[in-house]
Amino acid sequence: GAVVSQHPSWVICKSGTSVKIECRSLDFQATTMFWYRQFPKQSLMLMATSNEGSKATYEQGVEKDKFLINHASLTLSTLTVTSAHPEDSSFYICSARKGTGDSFYTFGSGTRLTVV
Amino acid sequence: QQQVKQSPQSLIVQKGGISIINCAYENTAFDYFPWYQQFPGKGPALLIAIRPDVSEKKEGRFTISFNKSAKQFSLHIMDSQPGDSATYFCAASIGNTGKLIFGQGTTLQVKP
Repeated sequence: GAVVSQHPSWVICKSGTSVKIECRSLDFQATTMFWYRQFPKQSLMLMATSNEGSKATYEQGVEKDKFLINHASLTLSTLTVTSAHPEDSSFYICSARKGTGDSFYTFGSGTRLTVV
Repeated sequence: QQQVKQSPQSLIVQKGGISIINCAYENTAFDYFPWYQQFPGKGPALLIAIRPDVSEKKEGRFTISFNKSAKQFSLHIMDSQPGDSATYFCAASIGNTGKLIFGQGTTLQVKP
């Protein structure tokens, strides 16, 4: 159990366009989902935390108007990169958390975004 | 204070050897310490995790050693295999925030 599906696995878009990445928890309800960005050979940097039905909480330095996060249900969160630029090219990974206390985090397989 | 420092950055081990990766933290409010394995182009996968009330946890070939007073924890991979070649990340979180803070990562190469 505890599978997180992330789609698409890779996407190429033109500068100035927007791209949406979906993160779904397939066999559990995720009270909280997290979005990370990872540049080549670097660590995962948390971008934002989203709780179902409420606004996302963004980490310092992350533009909330550029990276739109929607967590409309307990099984789906989306990240939309608006007006993408080449510097937004990165590996985006979502993570879902089930409950609190002895909760665990399950990661999606990631989305490779290339902006040309 | 939110940082988790990981070392070494890279590690080469012979097949059958022991791989050891270390992490240190500052925030004593951290209460969950997982280790993740990541292959290129994939998301991280949980290997093993520990909470601060335990000094050691073993699962198969993987062992976490935890030193609360020193604020350090380490991953030991026994009988390392070429298939273990990957990037390993330590992480820490505070239960009520749920945010995972990752170390810088260690690229492990196990030579046959």
